[in-house]
Amino acid sequence: KAGVTQTPRYLIKTRGQQVTLSCSPISGHRSVSWYQQTPGQGLQFLFEYFSETQRNKGNFPGRFSGRQFSNSRSEMNVSTLELGDSALYLCASSLTLGNTEAFFGQGTRLTVV
Amino acid sequence: QQPVQSPQAVILREGEDAVINCSSSKALYSVHWYRQKHGEAPVFLMILLKGGEQKGHEKISASFNEKKQQSSLYLTASQLSYSGTYFCGTEIYPGNTPLVFGKGTRLSVIA
Repeated sequence: KAGVTQTPRYLIKTRGQQVTLSCSPISGHRSVSWYQQTPGQGLQFLFEYFSETQRNKGNFPGRFSGRQFSNSRSEMNVSTLELGDSALYLCASSLTLGNTEAFFGQGTRLTVV
Repeated sequence: QQPVQSPQAVILREGEDAVINCSSSKALYSVHWYRQKHGEAPVFLMILLKGGEQKGHEKISASFNEKKQQSSLYLTASQLSYSGTYFCGTEIYPGNTPLVFGKGTRLSVIA
């Protein structure tokens, strides 16, 4: 079966712009989580969605937002981009919440210039 | 609360053993281990649940000490294919709190 698909794979944006990243989970998976990965910081938790509801939010400013649609696809949006937002953004899908294997997508590499 | 992993990096020769530790300041329900190879997505290795048994598959195994809020990943007789960054993820209340990852341990296996 198809894995987790993230689009686009690469993005270059200018400071002050906004960006929307997309994640299509594995068919049948209802939970989607987003992580920001930067060198030396590991995987920083952004959001967790289940059945279109945001279940948890990480310690990120309000410029970071997200949503999940009825087909479990998820988007995250970053407004007023800053240089420090440059990172690999990873999406992970799971069958359900907690105690379960997460499947990661290849990520979207965002560069802010 | 982000778990703390140690060491940050380790270099091994093929056939040597390694231990990667993961500790939390909070009581944990489960610990997850993932491996990420360069340029690839993280891949699931195993989950250890509170009250559960030590898990393992061939030469990679892990333990979970609930009282100490620590987990250890054991790699024995390492192979070149073991190279990558290992992340532990912790859950406090499954279904109510997210999976939070440590900063990772970079493992390099050389011939």
